[in-house]
Amino acid sequence: AQSVTQLDSHVSVSEGTPVLLRCNYSSSYSPSLFWYVQHPNKGLQLLLKYTSAATLVKGINGFEAEFKKSETSFHLTKPSAHMSDAAEYFCVVTLRNSGNTPLVFGKGTRLSVIA
Amino acid sequence: EPEVTQTPSHQVTQMGQEVILRCVPISNHLYFYWYRQILGQKVEFLVSFYNNEISEKSEIFDDQFSVERPDGSNFTLKIRSTKLEDSAMYFCASSDPNRGIEQFFGPGTRLTVL
Repeated sequence: AQSVTQLDSHVSVSEGTPVLLRCNYSSSYSPSLFWYVQHPNKGLQLLLKYTSAATLVKGINGFEAEFKKSETSFHLTKPSAHMSDAAEYFCVVTLRNSGNTPLVFGKGTRLSVIA
Repeated sequence: EPEVTQTPSHQVTQMGQEVILRCVPISNHLYFYWYRQILGQKVEFLVSFYNNEISEKSEIFDDQFSVERPDGSNFTLKIRSTKLEDSAMYFCASSDPNRGIEQFFGPGTRLTVL
C-alpha cells in the first residue's frame, strides 16, 4: 500500500539558513508525490508536485524537492528560510495513478523559523 | 484565481445532532473529495465523488456520513448523528481530470462536538 513517512515532526531553523524537510515514500508503482503547506488557521496549499517528469521539482516560494527512486525519498528544501515559511508541511502520495485517486498524507512536519 | 470555499469555518454542535458541512468546488472541476484531520493526527481521506455518485470511500465513511451535490455548485458532507470523535477539521477538495491529479483544497471547517 502507498504510504509516506515524514521523518521529523518538528524542524527549527534560523532565518536565512537552509531548510530540509524529509519524506520517504512506499509505493507499489511509480507514484505522484506532492508537498502541501498549511499555515495556521488556513487551508492546504500545494507547494509542488512530482508526476514522473523531471526529478527535481521547483515549487512556490523558493521551495524545491528531488524525487530519488533509489532512496524512495522526496525531501523538501529551500536555500534560505524566511519567517513566513513557519507552517505545517505535508508530504503526500497518490493512492493510485488515476484521475480521482485519494491522497495519502504523511503526519506532517512543523517548521519553526527563528529570527 | 479560483478557489475552493467552505462554510462554516467553525461549527459547534451537541453530540447526536446532525451537521451539514458545505463546500463550493472550483467551477469546472469534476472530482470532489472530503478529508478530515483530527487534532494532532494525519489528514485522512473520507470520500470521493464524481458524476453525482460516490467513487470511493474509506473505512471511516460509515452510514453516519453522506455526501450530496444538491445543485450545480455546492458539495455537502452530512453527519447524521455526531459523536465526540467526529470533532476534527474537515477539508473539501476538487480536481480537474483535464489538468492531472492535483487536488485543490478549501480552508476547512473545524467541527467541535460537545
